[in-house]
Amino acid sequence: GAVVSQHPSRVICKSGTSVKIECRSLDFQATTMFWYRQFPKKSLMLMATSNEGSKATYEQGVEKDKFLINHASLTLSTLTVTSAHPEDSSFYICSPGAQGGAEQYFGPGTRLTVT
Amino acid sequence: LAKTTQPISMDSYEGQEVNITCSHNNIATNDYITWYQQFPSQGPRFIIQGYKTKVTNEVASLFIPADRKSSTLSLPRVSLSDTAVYYCLYHNTDKLIFGTGTRLQVFP
Repeated sequence: GAVVSQHPSRVICKSGTSVKIECRSLDFQATTMFWYRQFPKKSLMLMATSNEGSKATYEQGVEKDKFLINHASLTLSTLTVTSAHPEDSSFYICSPGAQGGAEQYFGPGTRLTVT
Repeated sequence: LAKTTQPISMDSYEGQEVNITCSHNNIATNDYITWYQQFPSQGPRFIIQGYKTKVTNEVASLFIPADRKSSTLSLPRVSLSDTAVYYCLYHNTDKLIFGTGTRLQVFP
């Protein structure tokens, strides 16, 4: 199956700083990347959809200026949490768009803790 | 947005068969039904997908009645390592909307 990596796997930052999370699809080209957020004991919530070479599409209630998404290449998408606050502490997961098939793969996730 | 209904939690013992049923009354004609498994602090993992009747793979079976308004994931002879959250989704694109999922706890 497809291999998706995320970096870092875990990050702790101070309130007010920005954090960048990288998502790479290692063995196929992803024209689309989905970003999810998951709070403890909760389900995954779709935040935004990034498309290679164009602006990301954000779900309702997700601030595009706070969660900057860049999909610069077919194998790399980044999510930057700007001016992070403790309420942004969460588990962030990326998922490349399926390659015309049924099975969709997810990254291992990034645990963000804002102190 | 896709909306499914699943039991919040289920308990089982090792070696038993577990059946998790999901309701998806608003499923459209071109939607597929997919189940994912998630362990703590990991991304979801694909289990199985189907459109109608029955699908079986090496880890699970998926039963879908003719009206497709529900589906049942069947896990044969569960082990402790099957303790996880199981999500049912229906979709026709790669944009997945997750419901609450079912937290399965397997006891020895």
